[in-house]
Amino acid sequence: EAQVTQNPRYLITVTGKKLTVTCSQNMNHEYMSWYRQDPGLGLRQIYYSMNVEVTDKGDVPEGYKVSRKEKRNFPLILESPSPNQTSLYFCASKNGGDYNEQFFGPGTRLTVL
Amino acid sequence: GNSVTQMEGPVTLSEEAFLTINCTYTATGYPSLFWYVQYPGEGLQLLLKATKADDKGSNKGFEATYRKETTSFHLEKGSVQVSDSAVYFCALSDQGNRDDKIIFGKGTRLHILP
Repeated sequence: EAQVTQNPRYLITVTGKKLTVTCSQNMNHEYMSWYRQDPGLGLRQIYYSMNVEVTDKGDVPEGYKVSRKEKRNFPLILESPSPNQTSLYFCASKNGGDYNEQFFGPGTRLTVL
Repeated sequence: GNSVTQMEGPVTLSEEAFLTINCTYTATGYPSLFWYVQYPGEGLQLLLKATKADDKGSNKGFEATYRKETTSFHLEKGSVQVSDSAVYFCALSDQGNRDDKIIFGKGTRLHILP
């Protein structure tokens, strides 16, 4: 089944404790992206990657890191999480081209205490 | 720059009512337009799309027409069901964007009452 998977789905952590949210897609998509979704703010892009070893900042990159060592994986790293990073996170992937839809993972709900 | 504006919710309707969710856009090039739907506890999924002016996208009884003259892509459904309760996002992707980015509206929450 074609899909984007994220892990964990739910995470409660404390300020400053490094964490990684994994994202994997099995559709051989070139483009991958991370978003956060917050009430009243909609979806905001954190980072994106147009291909292996190519990553770039989105609209709200502060406090996050990503890597793209393989085409299928695009982990999101929070080196020192803070409470303002409490949010619902989505990974997405698509083929290049403006007419192609994005496929979204099921989301990771992160709470930073 | 490019942007998407959609009506704020929540929108509450009775079952079998007619639905319109307004969406307008600003784009420098010739964007493709999308509607995504997010059901409770899930990620977004594509509902329909249109890639050029006057195209009509349709799926699951929903329709939206790409109107370049009014820069709009309003979502409509003739008779909504309780199962349509979800958050709906209008989005655009502009081939003029170097970063191949999809820009989302803020979402409209729809409640359908039985």
